[in-house]
Amino acid sequence: GEDVEQSLFLSVREGDSSVINCTYTDSSSTYLYWYKQEPGAGLQLLTYIFSNMDMKQDQRLTVLLNKKDKHLSLRIADTQTGDSAIYFCADGGSTLGRLYFGRGTQLTVWP
Amino acid sequence: DTGVSQDPRHKITKRGQNVTFRCDPISEHNRLYWYRQTLGQGPEFLTYFQNEAQLEKSRLLSDRFSAERPKGSFSTLEIQRTEQGDSAMYLCASSLGPNQPQHFGDGTRLSIL
Repeated sequence: GEDVEQSLFLSVREGDSSVINCTYTDSSSTYLYWYKQEPGAGLQLLTYIFSNMDMKQDQRLTVLLNKKDKHLSLRIADTQTGDSAIYFCADGGSTLGRLYFGRGTQLTVWP
Repeated sequence: DTGVSQDPRHKITKRGQNVTFRCDPISEHNRLYWYRQTLGQGPEFLTYFQNEAQLEKSRLLSDRFSAERPKGSFSTLEIQRTEQGDSAMYLCASSLGPNQPQHFGDGTRLSIL
């Protein structure tokens, strides 16, 4: 099956930018997603990008997609303490159904 | 606009008991998904429905697990003869259709004593 890899931890200082990286294996993926999970809660959809796009910007969030290298990144500008959470990369694959998730990146923002 | 609703939020039960969880999707979303998430892992796909039809089941969904969506609206996930390894967060998601973003509920946390 599809494999999605993420680094497990990232620490940044408040006000800095955060960059969370993800790699995936399915070359026929159509959509790729970023979700945020706070303790004890479900997943909140942050943003997503279609595979024919290189970049998508949404307020403080910028998604970059390098389809050749199967690499996805999420940049959070002006990171705040409220951004501390686990961020999941998800690959929509080619089956138009299930999502394949990475293990998540724990983002810690220091004041 | 209400999001995806799951009930109960927490369930504690003894090994060997049966449990049933409910998911109410976002109104007009015809796709409904079930995932399982264990500590330190990302969600793993279990099954999904298009309206009332169950279109795909993961190998994770053993014969002790059954999911239904009888009228194409809410769904139930039942686990029979629960085992320690069933302890996890069970997440439900819904979407308008294929290749549409999936929106998740807050999950049901299952603890097996």
